[in-house]
Amino acid sequence: KAGVTQTPRYLIKTRGQQVTLSCSPISGHRSVSWYQQTPGQGLQFLFEYFSETQRNKGNFPGRFSGRQFSNSRSEMNVSTLELGDSALYLCASSLERPGTGELFFGEGSRLTVL
Amino acid sequence: GENVEQHPSTLSVQEGDSAVIKCTYSDSASNYFPWYKQELGKRPQLIIDIRSNVGEKKDQRIAVTLNKTAKHFSLHITETQPEDSAVYFCAASPYSSASKIIFGSGTRLSIRP
Repeated sequence: KAGVTQTPRYLIKTRGQQVTLSCSPISGHRSVSWYQQTPGQGLQFLFEYFSETQRNKGNFPGRFSGRQFSNSRSEMNVSTLELGDSALYLCASSLERPGTGELFFGEGSRLTVL
Repeated sequence: GENVEQHPSTLSVQEGDSAVIKCTYSDSASNYFPWYKQELGKRPQLIIDIRSNVGEKKDQRIAVTLNKTAKHFSLHITETQPEDSAVYFCAASPYSSASKIIFGSGTRLSIRP
């Protein structure tokens, strides 16, 4: 069974631009959650989607948004990029909600904002 | 608000010795506590988890203990080996919403030969 796939793996943007990241979950997994990883801050929960519906959202500004498609693939978008948005963005898929069982992470998309 | 504190942030132990990482959580109704290991340049992977109706769980050299009264849970690694070197994250799921999970800030464990 293929694992969680994230694209692109690396990208460089400048302040003010916007970026879209993609995540393809493990086949059969309907929950996709997103995390921001920065040194010293650990993994910070961004949002979770299940059956195309956002069920929960972390404490991030409205510039961070996402969506999920009918095939469970998910995208997240960051608009008006700031230097502090530089991070590794990880998505994870799971059979059920993130707080009930194992999360399967992708390798991440490393965003650098200049 | 919901919070998970993790200590220490870095830990260095001699190969063969034990390592202990501790976490505290703020939501007393949290009921699911996983631990993830992230090797350098790799994705986080679940190594063990515990639910609130259990006080301790073991899997070979790894064990997790949960003290619900004190809102503490800990990861214990015995007979450490070089391949245990990684960043370890604890996490807790708030009872109010299992569609959200809160991670600790991570512990970088180094095993000295």
